[in-house]
This record gives sequence, C-alpha cells and structure tokens, in this order.
Amino acid sequence: GAGVSQSPRYKVAKRGQDVALRCDPISGHVSLFWYQQALGQGPEFLTYFQNEAQLDKSGLPSDRFFAERPEGSVSTLKIQRTQQEDSAVYLCASSLKAGVQDTQYFGPGTRLTVL
Amino acid sequence: GDSVTQMEGPVTLSEEAFLTINCTYTATGYPSLFWYVQYPGEGLQLLLKATKADDKGSNKGFEATYRKETTSFHLEKGSVQVSDSAVYFCALSYNFNKFYFGSGTKLNVKP
Repeated sequence: GAGVSQSPRYKVAKRGQDVALRCDPISGHVSLFWYQQALGQGPEFLTYFQNEAQLDKSGLPSDRFFAERPEGSVSTLKIQRTQQEDSAVYLCASSLKAGVQDTQYFGPGTRLTVL
Repeated sequence: GDSVTQMEGPVTLSEEAFLTINCTYTATGYPSLFWYVQYPGEGLQLLLKATKADDKGSNKGFEATYRKETTSFHLEKGSVQVSDSAVYFCALSYNFNKFYFGSGTKLNVKP
C-alpha cells in the first residue's frame, strides 16, 4: 500500500467498552503521530512516536488513552472505558524522518462513536 | 500558549473568484506554518508551508506568506476552481513533531 492505512474505519462502542484503533504507517517512516478530530474542529495532537519510542504524549486527554508502537511500525491507540466525549475521528500520520522539515502523510481516520 | 485561529466558514465563491482564507497564530517562539487541505472523502494533505518570516509557500496556484509582524499566514488563490472545494486547515509546528491546527474553513466553489 502506498499510503497510511487505519482500521477499522468506523467503530461504534457502548459507553464503558474498551476500543483499539490500528494505524499502519508508510513503510520505513520513522515518525508516527496520533490526532483526535472532533466534529467541526481541527485535529488535536495526542501523541508522537519516533520508531518505537513514544517521545511526546502530552496530548493524551486522560489515563484512559494509551498508545504503543512496539516494533516501530504499526501503532495501536487504545481507549479504555470509553465515554461519550471520546466520540471523534482519530487520525494517524507518518513521516519519513524525525524532527526535521518533512511532510506528514495522513490516514483516512477512524470514526469512533460512543453511545 | 500556541494556537491557530482561522476564519469561520463556509466560504462560498463562484468559479474564477479570488480566494482569501485568513489565519492568525499565537506562538511562544518561531514556528513553521502550514496549510493542509482535506478534499471530500480523503485524508488531510499538505498544501504548502513556510518555515521562517517573510517566506512564501506556494502550490497548485495557492500562496501564503509568513508575516511575523501581523502573526498571520493567510491563504490566497487568484482564481478558484470547483475542484478546490474542500476544507482548509492552517497549522503551526516548532519541530515537526507536534502540530497545532486551526478549526478548518470549508470552501465551496460553484460553477
């Protein structure tokens, strides 16, 4: 695949359920980003990985949110005990290099709806 | 803190009209500035960027100039097309590791 892929594309969860969202970055990309985009808003930064290292998780809204990238490629964003305010589109992006002028490539997003 | 403010949409224009989408920023340092575009049904794509004051980013007929004195990065295009209909996001970043996005401006271009 040429681009960033995310799965599932749509997820409906009941309040209190745990969910796991997957991101497959472009092969060989060092940097990986997660964003949360609420309806009618711009993306808000959640966390950043450089290879397998999570260098910045300052945007994670609570300790219910957890992200990992154990082998420096695929990443999973996990949300425990989902709440209605977690409903949003979750975007993943990757870039080839780290911390330099490099283009981020975004995936199509996972739309999470918490009932 | 750091933030980006964009003009609210939607902006509706006729084909071949001149486009301006305003973007201003608040920054604690000297960030790089970006415009991203999201076409219907597609993911965000980088449209253009500028990394220092007075730089002009340009792509596909769109332009934006990094104005430090007015803390602005307004997006312009001389003649819009129907295919330019999309949502446009202004963003800033210091180190390309963390981006701050505006809330987006929807552009509708009518034939």
